[in-house]
Amino acid sequence: AQSVTQLGSHVSVSEGALVLLRCNYSSSVPPYLFWYVQYPNQGLQLLLKYTTGATLVKGINGFEAEFKKSETSFHLTKPSAHMSDAAEYFCAVRTPNSGGSNYKLTFGKGTLLTVNP
Amino acid sequence: ETGVTQSPTHLIKTRGQQVTLRCSSQSGHNTVSWYQQALGQGPQFIFQYYREEENGRGNFPPRFSGLQFPNYSSELNVNALELDDSALYLCASSFSLASYNEQFFGPGTRLTVL
Repeated sequence: AQSVTQLGSHVSVSEGALVLLRCNYSSSVPPYLFWYVQYPNQGLQLLLKYTTGATLVKGINGFEAEFKKSETSFHLTKPSAHMSDAAEYFCAVRTPNSGGSNYKLTFGKGTLLTVNP
Repeated sequence: ETGVTQSPTHLIKTRGQQVTLRCSSQSGHNTVSWYQQALGQGPQFIFQYYREEENGRGNFPPRFSGLQFPNYSSELNVNALELDDSALYLCASSFSLASYNEQFFGPGTRLTVL
């Protein structure tokens, strides 16, 4: 079964510091992996995704993630945190629908990122 | 281009009541998925509709039902509300069933069951 584990429910960094949010997955099919960001009282916005090809994926707002099959990981990084990065971040993996011919997203529990001035 | 919209934004109901939540997909999108996000949790898949037919369902009881209309707008209906149904309900539309396609999320409907 597909699952996602996000290590650390809360990560706190200083403005300008490296951001590292961890995500490990399990998947019985070739994984498609996604990172979403959720600002307070808003829906989810896609940051980046890995489907096939290059394992280092660049997304919006300076974020990037590297797919490491051997480690079953897809950690999200940003070299220099900005105050506006404070939000909740969700890692997700595509998962076959039971009884259907398509896929759903299985999400981790999320990591709340706070950025200190 | 109009994004995904949901209504209402907030809703308060009592146990046993029924509720209908609405979603308007992004223009050109024929696939919609609904998710439940409990407080402090990640979204959990409820079901998906493609061209007005249910195309997959998560681990939710039958009192959660849905509809998709010819214009690809969608409804989520929940009967016999329970306290644990209190959550943020998100809908997401995508261009097609292809799993590599981005799902565009709406802002959600916050449901409180008292």
